[in-house]
Amino acid sequence: AQRVTQPEKLLSVFKGAPVELKCNYSYSGSPELFWYVQYSRQRLQLLLRHISRESIKGFTADLNKGETSFHLKKPFAQEEDSAMYYCALSPMDSSYKLIFGSGTRLLVRP
Amino acid sequence: NAGVMQNPRHLVRRRGQEARLRCSPMKGHSHVYWYRQLPEEGLKFMVYLQKENIIDESGMPKERFSAEFPKEGPSILRIQQVVRGDSAAYFCASSPYIENTDTQYFGPGTRLTVL
Repeated sequence: AQRVTQPEKLLSVFKGAPVELKCNYSYSGSPELFWYVQYSRQRLQLLLRHISRESIKGFTADLNKGETSFHLKKPFAQEEDSAMYYCALSPMDSSYKLIFGSGTRLLVRP
Repeated sequence: NAGVMQNPRHLVRRRGQEARLRCSPMKGHSHVYWYRQLPEEGLKFMVYLQKENIIDESGMPKERFSAEFPKEGPSILRIQQVVRGDSAAYFCASSPYIENTDTQYFGPGTRLTVL
């Protein structure tokens, strides 16, 4: 079954601390993985995708096929990073169909 | 570009009534996707439409739910004879074309409450 698991509902860190939001997936092929973010009162928007291998707002994510993980990391959290973060998977045979995890709320305290 | 528009933002219906949710894609986008988010869960794919065509409705419940994207006008997600379990946030997304998993742009969502 195709599934995305985000084990933490809430992650609370202090400003300047490192952040790692966990994402594990279940998929038999080679999926494309994404991180979406929803800031307070804003729309869900794409943060980054593994195929781009880029860093957005200081966030990076590495696809680990052995551990079937795509954890999102940032070395120094900022208060403006507080948001809801969703990991998503796109199957090869139906690439338009995003499969989302249940999300992790990141709270960065001053 | 105003982005993907959805209306209404909040919709309250009594059990047995019909709910109509509208989605206007971004300008130049001809692909529309609907997702449903139940409380404490992630978004779940419902249907993918192009103008006048349903491409994939594998995520739609078999009964009471239908979707369309006419040649003119917004895409409509229609829920007939709503039940309490239909209470959820419904999100629409759009993309310009399908190529290498083109980025989907999301609307603000419609929050449906069934009394």
